[in-house]
Amino acid sequence: NAGVTQTPKFQVLKTGQSMTLQCAQDMNHNSMYWYRQDPGMGLRLIYYSASEGTTDKGEVPNGYNVSRLNKREFSLRLESAAPSQTSVYFCASSEHLDSGNTIYFGEGSWLTVV
Amino acid sequence: KNEVEQSPQNLTAQEGEFITINCSYSVGISALHWLQQHPGGGIVSLFMLSSGKKKHGRLIATINIQEKHSSLHITASHPRDSAVYICAVSLTWKLIFGTGTRLQVFP
Repeated sequence: NAGVTQTPKFQVLKTGQSMTLQCAQDMNHNSMYWYRQDPGMGLRLIYYSASEGTTDKGEVPNGYNVSRLNKREFSLRLESAAPSQTSVYFCASSEHLDSGNTIYFGEGSWLTVV
Repeated sequence: KNEVEQSPQNLTAQEGEFITINCSYSVGISALHWLQQHPGGGIVSLFMLSSGKKKHGRLIATINIQEKHSSLHITASHPRDSAVYICAVSLTWKLIFGTGTRLQVFP
């Protein structure tokens, strides 16, 4: 059982380049999330998807777009990368959009923008 | 002031010691999560609790809703327990995360 799988694990981008982080879950969860983790700060929500076909902004959405391709997949796109987007990105999923559910995280994607 | 505060930020211990990590929060919550993050690895949910106490192996989590405080205890600590432990509180659909406690257990 793979759980939550995200790719790539590591990426170096030049300022202004674009890229997409892919995420898939095999637990038939309705809700999916993208977080970023920066040193000295707690995880912060970028975007979330309550269910297939819906997406909403979290705390720090600027500079990002998302697509909920189907129930399994939720991708995060950086259209024009900036050094401030250097971070570790985590995809997560839960059964429903209720943080009283257990949340499952991917292994993380380390992104450096130079 | 952060809505979720963890203490200590860093913790070192000898193998076999009893470990306590604390989490205080300032908002009304529906549940509290304890998560574990190994170096270079993903994040794993250890506990989700809304009242009382839960135990899983050598790990025990407690919560006092009135005092807005939770503790994570590790009994008979082992080097493989070395990780960052993160407290997160639930506000309906939203999770607010603490900055984590880095634990190192030496043999």
